[in-house]
Amino acid sequence: GAGVSQTPSNKVTEKGKYVELRCDPISGHTALYWYRQSLGQGPEFLIYFQGTGAADDSGLPNDRFFAVRPEGSVSTLKIQRTERGDSAVYLCASSLGGGPGELFFGEGSRLTVL
Amino acid sequence: KQEVTQIPAALSVPEGENLVLNCSFTDSAIYNLQWFRQDPGKGLTSLLLIQSSQREQTSGRLNASLDKSSGRSTLYIAASQPGDSATYLCALYNFNKFYFGSGTKLNVKP
Repeated sequence: GAGVSQTPSNKVTEKGKYVELRCDPISGHTALYWYRQSLGQGPEFLIYFQGTGAADDSGLPNDRFFAVRPEGSVSTLKIQRTERGDSAVYLCASSLGGGPGELFFGEGSRLTVL
Repeated sequence: KQEVTQIPAALSVPEGENLVLNCSFTDSAIYNLQWFRQDPGKGLTSLLLIQSSQREQTSGRLNASLDKSSGRSTLYIAASQPGDSATYLCALYNFNKFYFGSGTKLNVKP
């Protein structure tokens, strides 16, 4: 597609529920990143995919968070047993190749856990 | 771990002023530095990318410089306009990820 697409744009859920957030990167971009942004803060790294594999998942806060990219394009971030502290904007970004290429972001998915 | 600091956190200027936003970092072993703009409730828009071998990049009224030895980057905005009002973030790449500062919130008054 023309840009990075994220769905849903907004998600409200109850504590303890399961949530999936989807990211469709720019066509041909092999690198995909998930970041989380809280109000007034810069984005915090969660996970980096190069192709289908997670090259670095050191930012995932705990085992309730998991992400996949089975065919090397669309990625899904999965959050189990959501907690109020998971409320944030989840941003997806892609770049053309591996390593430090120019990063392009989607509009984000705003998650609110009640 | 790379630490990125942006000063000031907020800035309000009258239209037409030239201004400088600062970004400092603790680890000089970076591969590139990218400046972004973020409008309220929106994602990040790329403004300028400086590769590790470069010292500056220019796009229109924007100029960004990088001094790895001192751990600093600056974003210069010439002849500011109300439409420049947004939060500006810098990000540095090393160790498989981009590290972000908290941003400078800019308000340009008409």
